[in-house]
Amino acid sequence: RKEVEQDPGPFNVPEGATVAFNCTYSNSASQSFFWYRQDCRKEPKLLMSVYSSGNEDGRFTAQLNRASQYISLLIRDSKLSDSATYLCVVNIQYGGSQGNLIFGKGTKLSVKP
Amino acid sequence: GAGVSQSPSNKVTEKGKDVELRCDPISGHTALYWYRQSLGQGLEFLIYFQGNSAPDKSGLPSDRFSAERTGGSVSTLTIQRTQQEDSAVYLCASSLDMDSRFEQFFGPGTRLTVL
Repeated sequence: RKEVEQDPGPFNVPEGATVAFNCTYSNSASQSFFWYRQDCRKEPKLLMSVYSSGNEDGRFTAQLNRASQYISLLIRDSKLSDSATYLCVVNIQYGGSQGNLIFGKGTKLSVKP
Repeated sequence: GAGVSQSPSNKVTEKGKDVELRCDPISGHTALYWYRQSLGQGLEFLIYFQGNSAPDKSGLPSDRFSAERTGGSVSTLTIQRTQQEDSAVYLCASSLDMDSRFEQFFGPGTRLTVL
């Protein structure tokens, strides 16, 4: 089983739609969670961290469910510029090790006019 | 300010040749990471450097892969005797330090094609 799994999509939605992506992680030792965004043929960039209590940044809402080991990203009022691949990222720390970031394969979003 | 830069942007090589990929991190960033991204795959961690500490090489796929970071700044990833399965985009990233590793700033990548 992959450590971080995402639906690859693509999710094709009209402008203004609300869209949600889920991501599941297999290692219960996972401690920190993030969403990165990667535009086509570009480098990934941090979109937002995911906090246990859930957090919002403008039109973007991230949530964490530790019991079920999944993370979600909700995008409201989709814009054309939101078209990108969204990468779910998990950090697993072992003992005194700070751990590395583990990236999912990403979910592709395409927002249409 | 200047971001992470990588060179070359594209590299085409023949199977069996050695290649060197270069990464110049953001000035002042002490942590540097190498990843590769194959078509349709997620980012695969290769190696990271933190200051003067020994690098974490746990992600290197074989002994044909090696990396150096000289003077705590520029890093070179070397792939010896390249194979077709090495074809991928090689991404370098840096962060202020390991405590800030959650926000990694990526370079544009080097697209490696092994014929």
